[in-house]
Amino acid sequence: QKEVEQDPGPLSVPEGAIVSLNCTYSNSAFQYFMWYRQYSRKGPELLMYTYSSGNKEDGRFTAQVDKSSKYISLFIRDSQPSDSATYLCAMSAQGAQKLVFGQGTRLTINP
Amino acid sequence: ETGVTQSPTHLIKTRGQQVTLRCSSQSGHNTVSWYQQALGQGPQFIFQYYREEENGRGNFPPRFSGLQFPNYSSELNVNALELDDSALYLCASSEGTALVTANEKLFFGSGTQLSVL
Repeated sequence: QKEVEQDPGPLSVPEGAIVSLNCTYSNSAFQYFMWYRQYSRKGPELLMYTYSSGNKEDGRFTAQVDKSSKYISLFIRDSQPSDSATYLCAMSAQGAQKLVFGQGTRLTINP
Repeated sequence: ETGVTQSPTHLIKTRGQQVTLRCSSQSGHNTVSWYQQALGQGPQFIFQYYREEENGRGNFPPRFSGLQFPNYSSELNVNALELDDSALYLCASSEGTALVTANEKLFFGSGTQLSVL
């Protein structure tokens, strides 16, 4: 079993829709949770960074962490074609040197 | 732009050869990490260097090695290439300490796409 599970999709939605992306994890030591966006032939770009449980909002993006369920989510409101990319969840334990990534979900926003 | 640059962008090698990939971190970033991203997968941690010393290693064999230089550049070397080494290799830098904490964020380069034939 992988430490981090993420549905690879692909996920296709119309422009303006609310998008929900999710990851589950098995390592209870994870305390730092991130979402990265990766465009084709580019490196991952940090979108959201959350410590422990709770919600964090940044513009059209909202990240949620539920440590009791070992479940994290990213919501995108008023989705735009420019949001089309692969979204990677990543997490890390306190003091760890590495990030553990999910497989990535490929998202397409149709005009 | 993250300020992290990698070269070359693409590389084709044959099985058994050796390869060196290069990365230039942001000025002031003392930590560099390397990740391997196979097609359709998330990045996997190879190792991390902090002030020119290896500071953590993932589940990769010794034929994967690295160097970090005082001028914020670094290298990933892979010996005896195998077909499964075909992947996007990502370099990521961060400032401050070697640990991933609430104040640490990784900045990734665009990667080197390695194809092993």
